[in-house]
Amino acid sequence: DARVTQTPRHKVTEMGQEVTMRCQPILGHNTVFWYRQTMMQGLELLAYFRNRAPLDDSGMPKDRFSAEMPDATLATLKIQPSEPRDSAVYFCASGFGRDTEAFFGQGTRLTVV
Amino acid sequence: QKEVEQNSGPLSVPEGAIASLNCTYSDRGSQSFFWYRQYSGKSPELIMSIYSNGDKEDGRFTAQLNKASQYVSLLIRDSQPSDSATYLCAVTSGSARQLTFGSGTQLTVLP
Repeated sequence: DARVTQTPRHKVTEMGQEVTMRCQPILGHNTVFWYRQTMMQGLELLAYFRNRAPLDDSGMPKDRFSAEMPDATLATLKIQPSEPRDSAVYFCASGFGRDTEAFFGQGTRLTVV
Repeated sequence: QKEVEQNSGPLSVPEGAIASLNCTYSDRGSQSFFWYRQYSGKSPELIMSIYSNGDKEDGRFTAQLNKASQYVSLLIRDSQPSDSATYLCAVTSGSARQLTFGSGTQLTVLP
């Protein structure tokens, strides 16, 4: 059953704490996206990797957010320090190649109190 | 101007009717176009992809692309209550060909 796996599914944390979200892309996919979804902003692209190299992270607040791909089977998104305005659903999606469709994980619902 | 624009709706249609969802995009170099469906509390699910001008049909769904007008649409024939969801248009654009989403159109199919 090929699917994108995200952990954790839910996270509640206090303001100022570090949050790490993980994503396992579909085996064989070489493109990974991180999106944030809120009611007000919709789906915002935070970071985008192909073959583990970052191609676009212009949508990501650089002072507190970081995204990496330590290997082809793991992508991480970190927030340090977290703030209440970071509360959102964070999605990871993967695909193969350029200009192709992306398949979404189930998301991480983050609440920062 | 947003890169990908959709009518936010909400759009309501009676069961059995045709639902028409529209999307415009700003990057003339865009090559790939997608429609996703998202049920409340769930993740976006790919339902259609289209890469060349014209129509592409898949069951009750038809995607239409007009690159000259920078316009892509989704028609849902014989709409069912189970089609009630938010429909997201997505386009690959920019130098890195990132996948950019519109804000979505909420569709309600009334029994």
